[in-house]
Order: sequence, then structure tokens, then C-alpha cells
Amino acid sequence: GENVEQHPSTLSVQEGDSAVIKCTYSDSASNYFPWYKQELGKGPQLIIDIRSNVGEKKDQRIAVTLNKTAKHFSLHITETQPEDSAVYFCAAIFITGYALNFGKGTSLLVTP
Amino acid sequence: DAGVIQSPRHEVTEMGQEVTLRCKLISGHNSLFWYRQTMMRGLELLIYFNNNVPIDDSGMPEDRFSAKMPNASFSTLKIQPSEPRDSAVYFCASSYTDEAFFGQGTRLTVV
Repeated sequence: GENVEQHPSTLSVQEGDSAVIKCTYSDSASNYFPWYKQELGKGPQLIIDIRSNVGEKKDQRIAVTLNKTAKHFSLHITETQPEDSAVYFCAAIFITGYALNFGKGTSLLVTP
Repeated sequence: DAGVIQSPRHEVTEMGQEVTLRCKLISGHNSLFWYRQTMMRGLELLIYFNNNVPIDDSGMPEDRFSAKMPNASFSTLKIQPSEPRDSAVYFCASSYTDEAFFGQGTRLTVV
């Protein structure tokens, strides 16, 4: 099955700096790569996703890049704010209706 | 829509007792996933259903765990008998296409 590796496990940045979280996947057939944000006491929530036919996608301060050849994808958060502090999970999936395989998560702390 | 609704939010039970976790899907969604979250193992898939049919239950730890979908909008996850190592946060999620919507989770503590 699909194996998703995520790093770093913890990341601390100062407010206004950029944060980058990286993930690798094992199954070259995977075609959908979402990123979820989990705040304390809540369930994960989708913040951005990318499909295998696209190399980059942006949504305001967040962006995701995908390198299919290397089988890795990254989350970029610019101009970080304290409210960005949370645990972020990457995931990969092969086909609609199958279950997401999640990375172990990155705990991001943005200090004022 | 109120989103995926899980109950209870918190459950404390004694070892050996039966525990039932409940999940109401978002209306119109046809896939249902149960995940378990711990510090050590992260988000683990336990089982998922598509159109009320269990598709993959390979993540269910052992026979003490069972899950059902009695109808298209509701699911239960039962642990009998419960053990301290089952302590975790259990999430259900539903989807119609690729995006999975998660509930708020049930924090289970087995003492």
C-alpha cells in the first residue's frame, strides 16, 4: 500500500517568516495529494490539495508543489501568523473512494 | 449541513467494558472512514465503507473491534472488550469525491 513520509515532525518559525513542510510517497499511481490542518481539540480540515496533472497550486498565503518524478510534494506557507500554529498532515490517494494515507504530521509553531 | 457529527466527544470507561462510538455522515456522502489518532502512530485508518459496504478493514486491530453502517448516514465503531491500549482519539470522516470531511473526534480513555 501507499506509504507517506512527512518531515519535519516539528517546526518553529517567527511570525512573518515562511514555513515549508515536505512529504514523499511510495506509490507512483497516487494522483491526489491533500493537506490537512488540525487545530487542538478538532478534526483535521482540508486547506489545499493538488492533483497529479498539476505542478503547483496557490491559495493566498499557502501553496503546494508536486514533483511526480521524485514522488514528493511540499506545503509552503508565507507570511506566517500565530493562527497558523497547528498540526499539518499530508496525504496521498490513488483513486476516488479509497482511503487517504496520512503522513505522521508536522507540529508548526509560529511565535510572535 | 452541520458536518460530520460524532458522539460522544469524550468517553471514559473501565477495562473490559464495551464501548460504542457513533458517527453521522454528511448528507449525500457515500464513503465513510474510521481513523484512530495517537501520538505514537499518528492517524491510522481502521476501516472504510463505500456505499455502506466495508471495502478495507485491514486496519482494524483485532476482533475486539467491529464497525457497521446500518444505513447510508450512520455508522458505529464498537470495541468489546476495551483495553487501556485502545485509549486514543477516534475520528470518522465522510466523502463524496476526494475531499474527506472529519468529525470532531471522540477521545476515548480506558482505565
